[in-house]
Amino acid sequence: EIVLTQSPGTLSLSPGERATLSCRASQSVSSSYLAWYQQKPGQAPRLLIYGASSRATGIPDRFSGSGSGTDFTLTISRLEPEDFAVYYCQQYGSSLRAFGQGTKVEIK
Amino acid sequence: EVQLVQSGAEVKKPGESLKISCKGSGYSFTSYWIGWVRQMPGKGLEWMGIIYPGDSDTRYSPSFQGQVTISADKSISTAYLQWSSLKASDTAMYYCARHLTPGTREKDAFDIWGQGTMVTVSS
Repeated sequence: EIVLTQSPGTLSLSPGERATLSCRASQSVSSSYLAWYQQKPGQAPRLLIYGASSRATGIPDRFSGSGSGTDFTLTISRLEPEDFAVYYCQQYGSSLRAFGQGTKVEIK
Repeated sequence: EVQLVQSGAEVKKPGESLKISCKGSGYSFTSYWIGWVRQMPGKGLEWMGIIYPGDSDTRYSPSFQGQVTISADKSISTAYLQWSSLKASDTAMYYCARHLTPGTREKDAFDIWGQGTMVTVSS
C-alpha cells in the first residue's frame, strides 16, 4: 500500500505569492500516476493536474505539477484570491488509489 | 454539458439499508469508469472503489470491500453505492466521480465530480 504524505499541513501566504506544495509517496508511483485536486469549502474536489504534470482542461497555467518516483510538487506561481483552498494529491498507479491528507492554503 | 448528478441527502438509523445514486449525462456513460469517494466530516478524501458501466467490472479498496456495494444501470446512466446495514461511522459526504479517460484502463484520475450526497447515520 502506497501512503502519500503532504507537507506542509497549512501554508499561510498572501495573494500574489508563490505556493509550493509537496506530496511524498512511501513507494515509487508507477508511470507518474499522480494527480492534484483543489477543494473549496462546501464544494466537490476539482482536478488540477494528472500524470504528475499535465494540466486538466480549463486549469490556469499558474498551476503546475512536477516530480516523479516518490517526490511530487504542485506549484501555484502567483496566488489569486480564489486559490485559497485545500489541495490533495492522489496516486492512481496501484490497486489502492490513495489520497494524501491535504494541504490547506490560507490567506496570511 | 458533461455532469454527474447525485441523489439528495439522507438521514438514516444504524442498521438500516441505503442506496444512493449518481446519474451521468452529456457523455457516453458506458465508456468511462465511475468511482466513489468518501469524505468524513472535517476529514480528507478516501477512494472507495470504481465500476465500469459498460460491463459492470468493479474494483474496491480493501478498506471498503464487503462494507459497500457499487453497481450501475447503464440503461438509465446511473451508478449506485449501497449499504445493507449502516453504522454511525458511515456518516460522511459521498462523491461520485468519472475517470478522465474513456476506455477500460482502470487506473486514472477523476475529472468530473458529482455534487456529493451527505449521509447521516444517527439513532
